[in-house]
Amino acid sequence: DTAVSQTPKYLVTQMGNDKSIKCEQNLGHDTMYWYKQDSKKFLKIMFSYNNKELIINETVPNRFSPKSPDKAHLNLHINSLELGDSAVYFCASSRLKQDKDTTQYFGPGTRLLVL
Amino acid sequence: GNSVTQMEGPVTLSEEAFLTINCTYTATGYPSLFWYVQYPGEGLQLLLKATKADDKGSNKGFEATYRKETTSFHLEKGSVQVSDSAVYFCALSLMSGGSNYKLTFGKGTLLTVNP
Repeated sequence: DTAVSQTPKYLVTQMGNDKSIKCEQNLGHDTMYWYKQDSKKFLKIMFSYNNKELIINETVPNRFSPKSPDKAHLNLHINSLELGDSAVYFCASSRLKQDKDTTQYFGPGTRLLVL
Repeated sequence: GNSVTQMEGPVTLSEEAFLTINCTYTATGYPSLFWYVQYPGEGLQLLLKATKADDKGSNKGFEATYRKETTSFHLEKGSVQVSDSAVYFCALSLMSGGSNYKLTFGKGTLLTVNP
């Protein structure tokens, strides 16, 4: 019954590897997001998709490539991992604006550690 | 650009003390405002929200009022519990990319409540 789920919860890998994080929402939302939380807990948006279409790309390195196979899924693939990529990555979803409700609901996060 | 400023933490209180966490914002437009909470080792949970001026959001004894004249959304609780220990994030939501809304977060305030 989880609303927004992410896998894996923890990911430990070596520099230079390629890895993917998966996200699924069962809320029937049209919009999905990826956020990055750094070691100081600061949260910043990376991408936003609307019905499988990329809408927001916040100057993220092109080693990061989001993919949305359908509106319930938004995956994040990271190539050539670097030490600075170590962070917690959160997926979120929301409805398209309805009655001014733009609330985003977050997944549990994926804790990525690059060694 | 849009930004959110929260009071610096950490905040340490005794159980049953009164809590205020200040939050002010700068925005080009009329944002929706949110408080999210992150318990240790967990993801972000929506605590409360307000979508227009003078709205009051409330949940679990927490309250915040959208003050347009002072561009503020301060979080308050009359009597905190040990279980309220967490990081609290203030955030605003505005349209970006033409159709989607992105959250801009404050830096978070760590609250520790001692018995």
